[in-house]
Amino acid sequence: GENVEQHPSTLSVQEGDSAVIKCTYSDSASNYFPWYKQELGKGPQLIIDIRSNVGEKKDQRIAVTLNKTAKHFSLHITETQPEDSAVYFCAVSPYNNNDMRFGAGTRLTVKP
Amino acid sequence: ETGVTQSPTHLIKTRGQQVTLRCSSQSGHNTVSWYQQALGQGPQFIFQYYREEENGRGNFPPRFSGLQFPNYSSELNVNALELDDSALYLCASSLQGTSYEQYFGPGTRLTVT
Repeated sequence: GENVEQHPSTLSVQEGDSAVIKCTYSDSASNYFPWYKQELGKGPQLIIDIRSNVGEKKDQRIAVTLNKTAKHFSLHITETQPEDSAVYFCAVSPYNNNDMRFGAGTRLTVKP
Repeated sequence: ETGVTQSPTHLIKTRGQQVTLRCSSQSGHNTVSWYQQALGQGPQFIFQYYREEENGRGNFPPRFSGLQFPNYSSELNVNALELDDSALYLCASSLQGTSYEQYFGPGTRLTVT
């Protein structure tokens, strides 16, 4: 089955700096790659996603890049703010979206 | 637009008991997926329901079962509870055939003693 690895497990940055989180996957049939933000006591919140026919997608301070050949994708957060502090999860899904696999998560801390 | 809701928020059960968790999907969504999230880990896919039938299942034993109702809401049932079943149970709704996005509810925290 699909194996998703996420790095780093923890990341601490200064407010205003950039943060990058990387994920690799094993199943070449996967074609949907979302990123979720989870705050304490809440369910995961979809923040950005990308499909296999796109190499990069940006939404304000957040961007995701995908390299299908190398089977890895990354989340980029620019101009980080203290409210960006949370656990971030990458996920991978096949075309029919019925078996989404998550990475182990990255705890991001943004220091003011 | 109504988001995904789950009930109850918290639940404490004893080993060997049975539990039912409930999920109401976001308005306009026809598919519900269930996940188990152990402390400090990513969510693990349990199963997905579409058109009231199971539409994919992760690596969970048969004592984990589910239902989907005509209004697209769903239940997760767990029989013969074990201590390792203690976790946050999340449901996510989506619109099958149109988009991939899954939107999560706040979860039900289950503690098995």
